[in-house]
Formats: sequence, C-alpha cells, structure tokens
Amino acid sequence: GDSVTQMEGPVTLSEEAFLTINCTYTATGYPSLFWYVQYPGEGLQLLLKATKADDKGSNKGFEATYRKETTSFHLEKGSVQVSDSAVYFCALAAGGTSYGKLTFGQGTILTVHP
Amino acid sequence: KAGVTQTPRYLIKTRGQQVTLSCSPISGHRSVSWYQQTPGQGLQFLFEYFSETQRNKGNFPGRFSGRQFSNSRSEMNVSTLELGDSALYLCASSLGRKNTGELFFGEGSRLTVL
Repeated sequence: GDSVTQMEGPVTLSEEAFLTINCTYTATGYPSLFWYVQYPGEGLQLLLKATKADDKGSNKGFEATYRKETTSFHLEKGSVQVSDSAVYFCALAAGGTSYGKLTFGQGTILTVHP
Repeated sequence: KAGVTQTPRYLIKTRGQQVTLSCSPISGHRSVSWYQQTPGQGLQFLFEYFSETQRNKGNFPGRFSGRQFSNSRSEMNVSTLELGDSALYLCASSLGRKNTGELFFGEGSRLTVL
C-alpha cells in the first residue's frame, strides 16, 4: 500500500538557520504530494503541494520539489523563524476515486529558538 | 468564511460506551473526511463522504462508522469504546474534486476513554 516516511524528529534550530525535513514515499501510479503544518492549538493547514514530477511547491518561504526518481518531497526553508515552530506532515494523495483520503507521514516537530 | 467546526472539542468516556462526534464543513464544501490522530500511529484515515455516500474507508473495525447529511454535515460514531480509541479525531472538508488533496481541517475532538 501507499506509505510516507519522514525524518525522525524533533528538530531544534536557531532562528535564521536552514531547514530540511526529509520525506520519501511509496505509491502506485502518480500521486500528488503535500506538506501540511499543525501550529500549536490549531488544526492542520496545507502548506504547499506538487501534483507532478519536477513540480516545485512553495509558500511562506518553504519549498519542496517532487522528485519521482528518488520518490522524495523534501521540505526546505532558507531562514527559519520562531513562528515556524510547529509539527510538519508530509502526505500523498494517490490516484483514483478519493476526495479526501491522504496518507500521512509520522510528522516532524520543529522548534525554533530565538 | 467560517472554518470547519467540530463538536464537542473534548470528551471523556468509559470503556464500553459509545460516542458521536459532529463536523460542520466549510460552506460550499461537499466532501468530508475523518482522521484519527494518536502519538503512536500518527494520522490515520478513517473514512470519507461525498454526496451522503461513503466513498472510501480506512482500516478500522466496524465499531467506527459515520454518515453525511444532505447539508454536508457529518457525524462519526464509535461504539463499544476501548482504551485504544483515545485520540484526537479530525474532520476535514474539501470542495469535492477528486484527488486534489487540499483539505481544510477542524481543530479536532479529543476523546479520552477511561
């Protein structure tokens, strides 16, 4: 079946540091890939997405590129802020008849210190 | 525009009881999906509904059920509660286009089973 593997956390960084959170996936066909973020006390929010190979999703300074050859979708940000502290989830939506079925990774807790 | 509303936000039940959770999607959204979030298993897909019909179901026992009403509001029910059902139950809504993966999540209903 479909699966998503994220790097183990938690990740602790200083403000303005470079961030990478690794994500690899296993899926049949051509899935769409997503990063969702869960800020403390809030629901999950879509951060960015990519729907086909070599697409780059970007939002709020975060970027991720859909790499089919390595089945990866790593999240990066050049300079993190304290406000980026949250839990980040990589997810995929497989092809088919689904409207809202996502397969999520385990989540990576990010803490950014001033 | 109001977001996804879940009620109740917190509840405590004892083993063997049943529970009903409610979800009101964003106005105009026709698809509702449910997820269970636990520290050990992460985010797991329960089921999804579109036009009052269950379209997909995750790998959960039959004690977990749901339904969707004509106004797109949804409920999920868990019967004969077990300690392992303690979790954050998240509802997500979307416009109803297949496979976009763009879900809008509520803040969840936190269930504790004693």
